[in-house]
Amino acid sequence: AQKITQTQPGMFVQEKEAVTLDCTYDTSDQSYGLFWYKQPSSGEMIFLIYQGSYDEQNATEGRYSLNFQKARKSANLVISASQLGDSAMYFCAMREGRRTYNTDKLIFGTGTRLQVFP
Amino acid sequence: NAGVTQTPKFRVLKTGQSMTLLCAQDMNHEYMYWYRQDPGMGLRLIHYSVGEGTTAKGEVPDGYNVSRLKKQNFLLGLESAAPSQTSVYFCATTAVIHTEAFFGQGTRLTVV
Repeated sequence: AQKITQTQPGMFVQEKEAVTLDCTYDTSDQSYGLFWYKQPSSGEMIFLIYQGSYDEQNATEGRYSLNFQKARKSANLVISASQLGDSAMYFCAMREGRRTYNTDKLIFGTGTRLQVFP
Repeated sequence: NAGVTQTPKFRVLKTGQSMTLLCAQDMNHEYMYWYRQDPGMGLRLIHYSVGEGTTAKGEVPDGYNVSRLKKQNFLLGLESAAPSQTSVYFCATTAVIHTEAFFGQGTRLTVV
């Protein structure tokens, strides 16, 4: 069954330091996509980064990188040089790639609240 | 270009009342999703649709119904609201291929 697990309810990091947010997933499909979203206190969902299951290299977007370990089924988000504005909830999500009827669910983990302090 | 628009943004219902939340998208996306967000539980999938005229159950479908009569609209209905349905509801859309999901602004629903 499709499942996303985020085991860190909260994380603290000092400004300018790097932080890793954990995400593990479970799927029986070979084709899937993994996503990270940021939700600041204002409530909107902001897309950060995407990793496809067939991508050979880890995805990077500016200060965000995704540490993809396919055999371990993990897709950790690394934020380098943390900023105060990075304080938010972070969600890992997965979408399977089967294109048969009534599939392609997009499911989310429970999230990690990151707090960046000066 | 509005993207994904949810209506209404806020609502207070009495127990037993019914209401419909509307999600409208102008991105021509095939897939649409309804989620509820509760503290400590992340976003849980209620129902979703992979195309016009199709719907499917997600993780927490009980107490909700949906319809996708037009490709651009995805409606979430509560037939008889209960206090347990107090939550923030998000709609999202994606294209067929693995691309990011675009979210609406959310609807804060309180059932008293």
